[in-house]
Amino acid sequence: GAGVSQSPSNKVTEKGKDVELRCDPISGHTALYWYRQRLGQGLEFLIYFQGNSAPDKSGLPSDRFSAERTGESVSTLTIQRTQQEDSAVYLCASSPLAGGADTQYFGPGTRLTVL
Amino acid sequence: AQSVTQLDSQVPVFEEAPVELRCNYSSSVSVYLFWYVQYPNQGLQLLLKYLSGSTLVKGINGFEAEFNKSQTSFHLRKPSVHISDTAEYFCAVSPYSSASKIIFGSGTRLSIRP
Repeated sequence: GAGVSQSPSNKVTEKGKDVELRCDPISGHTALYWYRQRLGQGLEFLIYFQGNSAPDKSGLPSDRFSAERTGESVSTLTIQRTQQEDSAVYLCASSPLAGGADTQYFGPGTRLTVL
Repeated sequence: AQSVTQLDSQVPVFEEAPVELRCNYSSSVSVYLFWYVQYPNQGLQLLLKYLSGSTLVKGINGFEAEFNKSQTSFHLRKPSVHISDTAEYFCAVSPYSSASKIIFGSGTRLSIRP
């Protein structure tokens, strides 16, 4: 079946502009995660959605970052007033159930470059 | 809090040679352990995971890892590598108590020389 998809694959923007990144999880997956991967570094957890429960936003680096998810479908990550330090690959993952043991299925990522 | 240390940022090896990618973690609670692989221009995918039971875990593509609780390690091994194993490998931990807090290491880039 179809995997996790993300769009756009690449985004170049100017400092101060807002950007919106999209993630389409695998159908039926309850949990959805957003990560940030800076060049040469590991994955940094941003936010986690599980069904209709309140999202875990503890990884969002500032109030310029926000994310939404409607039910168990598409999620959008919005970065307002982008800064050069926001340049990174943003990865989305989904998993069938909400649990630490569950495998996460990753999308190909969105490479964000802030000029 | 949990942390994951991958001691080698890059590991070059010759084709058909054995390889070990090292991973150590720190946690005050019990954790699940994972290795994910990212092939060039592809998304991350699960290689293997340790949940409980036998400390030797076998994954895809001939990889295996051994959980060592006393040394808080989860090293990844393969007896004979192929060119197709060229990728970045990430070790990760997730505490039993939380579904969201999966912590990734900084990754090890494995490059295979013919």
